[in-house]
Amino acid sequence: DTAVSQTPKYLVTQMGNDKSIKCEQNLGHDTMYWYKQDSKKFLKIMFSYNNKELIINETVPNRFSPKSPDKAHLNLHINSLELGDSAVYFCASSQEGASYEQYFGPGTRLTVT
Amino acid sequence: GDSVTQMEGPVTLSEEAFLTINCTYTATGYPSLFWYVQYPGEGLQLLLKATKADDKGSNKGFEATYRKETTSFHLEKGSVQVSDSAVYFCALISARQLTFGSGTQLTVLP
Repeated sequence: DTAVSQTPKYLVTQMGNDKSIKCEQNLGHDTMYWYKQDSKKFLKIMFSYNNKELIINETVPNRFSPKSPDKAHLNLHINSLELGDSAVYFCASSQEGASYEQYFGPGTRLTVT
Repeated sequence: GDSVTQMEGPVTLSEEAFLTINCTYTATGYPSLFWYVQYPGEGLQLLLKATKADDKGSNKGFEATYRKETTSFHLEKGSVQVSDSAVYFCALISARQLTFGSGTQLTVLP
């Protein structure tokens, strides 16, 4: 059983398009995250979300928006894609009160052409 | 704000060599410290943690000691294996969120 899953694994699209990446966790966790990893492996948190609050990294453009239909899912929607959005995006989850122990998905490699 | 600084990579070692990856941090107070590992093509996994000064975290032969005096949390392993090839991230908790270092790529050659 995959604990944190993401789809798709690879996503190639053109500039200006709108795309979504889906994330699901079956761990019963109540907090989920999105990270962006650039080509140099630098990892930056984009959002953290539980049923009480959404914390947005202030450096994230508002073209990026998280959408959570329920506690087990946190999807990432991106509008008007740009070349600089090309990266690997990771979803993660944790239990509230143990936010240091995060379980990561396998990542989605987004390429914008 | 809080931050983590890791030694620059990549690091290449022969099998059974001794490994040290340096990590220092800047933080208010005494945050818990962590090492995460990312194997090729996968997401990150928690490798070990230490929650207070002088604690030693250990897992899979890796160790790191929380040194308050030097604000460091260096990762060590006495004898690396080819299967240890991965990217290693040092991290701390800040405002209930993980702050990661820049990662260190380790390649172990047979």
